[in-house]
Amino acid sequence: QKEVEQDPGPLSVPEGAIVSLNCTYSNSAFQYFMWYRQYSRKGPELLMYTYSSGNKEDGRFTAQVDKSSKYISLFIRDSQPSDSATYLCAMSPNSGGYNKLIFGAGTRLAVHP
Amino acid sequence: EAEVAQSPRYKITEKSQAVAFWCDPISGHATLYWYRQILGQGPELLVQFQDESVVDDSQLPKDRFSAERLKGVDSTLKIQPAELGDSAMYLCASSPGGETQYFGPGTRLLVL
Repeated sequence: QKEVEQDPGPLSVPEGAIVSLNCTYSNSAFQYFMWYRQYSRKGPELLMYTYSSGNKEDGRFTAQVDKSSKYISLFIRDSQPSDSATYLCAMSPNSGGYNKLIFGAGTRLAVHP
Repeated sequence: EAEVAQSPRYKITEKSQAVAFWCDPISGHATLYWYRQILGQGPELLVQFQDESVVDDSQLPKDRFSAERLKGVDSTLKIQPAELGDSAMYLCASSPGGETQYFGPGTRLLVL
């Protein structure tokens, strides 16, 4: 079983829809949670960064972390065709400065006009 | 805006040949990472440097892969000999410290 599970999709939604992307994990040591967006043939771009449990909002994006359920989510409001990309969740334990990120497989999102 | 630079962007090689990838991190970033991303999967860490020192290479196939960061700035990842299963995107990332990592555009490798 992988440490981080993420549904690969693809997820297809109409423009303006609310999108929900999710990851589950098994390692209770994870403290730092990130969402990256990756366009085709490009490197991942950091979208959201959250420490421990709670919510964080940035424009149309909201990240939620539920450590008790080992479940994290990314919500995209008013989705746009430019949001079409692969979304990768990533997480890291709290063990000092040399943390490696453990990534999910990524969910492919397509927002159609 | 400062970015992580990687070259080449694309590389096609035949199996058993040697290949090398180069990464220039964001200026001032002491931590540098090399990841491999197989199509349809998330990136997996190959090696992590703190300045010029390797701090994690537990997932680096050391029989064929090597990495160096001699002056603690730019870095080179080498594969010799390349195998068909090495076809993937090789991503470099850098960090000023902590958990936030900034990725370069990657080098897409195809081994024939």
